[in-house]
Amino acid sequence: AQSVAQPEDQVNVAEGNPLTVKCTYSVSGNPYLFWYVQYPNRGLQFLLKYITGDNLVKGSYGFEAEFNKSQTSFHLKKPSALVSDSALYFCAVRDMVHDYKLSFGAGTTVTVRA
Amino acid sequence: EAGVVQSPRYKIIEKKQPVAFWCNPISGHNTLYWYLQNLGQGPELLIRYENEEAVDDSQLPKDRFSAERLKGVDSTLKIQPAELGDSAVYLCASSLGAGGETQYFGPGTRLLVL
Repeated sequence: AQSVAQPEDQVNVAEGNPLTVKCTYSVSGNPYLFWYVQYPNRGLQFLLKYITGDNLVKGSYGFEAEFNKSQTSFHLKKPSALVSDSALYFCAVRDMVHDYKLSFGAGTTVTVRA
Repeated sequence: EAGVVQSPRYKIIEKKQPVAFWCNPISGHNTLYWYLQNLGQGPELLIRYENEEAVDDSQLPKDRFSAERLKGVDSTLKIQPAELGDSAVYLCASSLGAGGETQYFGPGTRLLVL
């Protein structure tokens, strides 16, 4: 069975500092990996995905993520965080066998202080 | 381009009452998903449609939940009768297809069962 772990419930950073949100996954085959962000009382908003190719994926709002197959990780990063980045972030994985079923992590709450 | 539309946004009902949620996917998206999101958790898949066919409803509690997508476009998810434990956010998502296609989420319906 596929699964996702987001080891940190909360991440707190100062505005202008680098932001990292960690994600590790487990699948039986090759993964499709996604990051979504959720603002209060809103649905999930797609940030970026890894399907194949370059391990460094660039997405919306200056976010990027690096796929590391040996460590089964897909950490989300932003070089300089903004207060408006404060939200709930979800990592999700889909394996190529059960190619439609997204399994989500429990989420990481990011707070960026001014 | 309009995103995934869901209504109502909020619903408060008493236990044992019926409730229905409606979803209109992004135009041209053949695949439609209903997810359940409990507080502090990631979304969990309830049912997936390919056009009008429910191709995976294995996680749908069929004793009280039902869904339909009669014309392969919009969809309705129903709970009858509702229980206290059904209080959650119900998310609808759509994608062009399965595989590595990105799922786009609606704003969700927040249900409170009293």
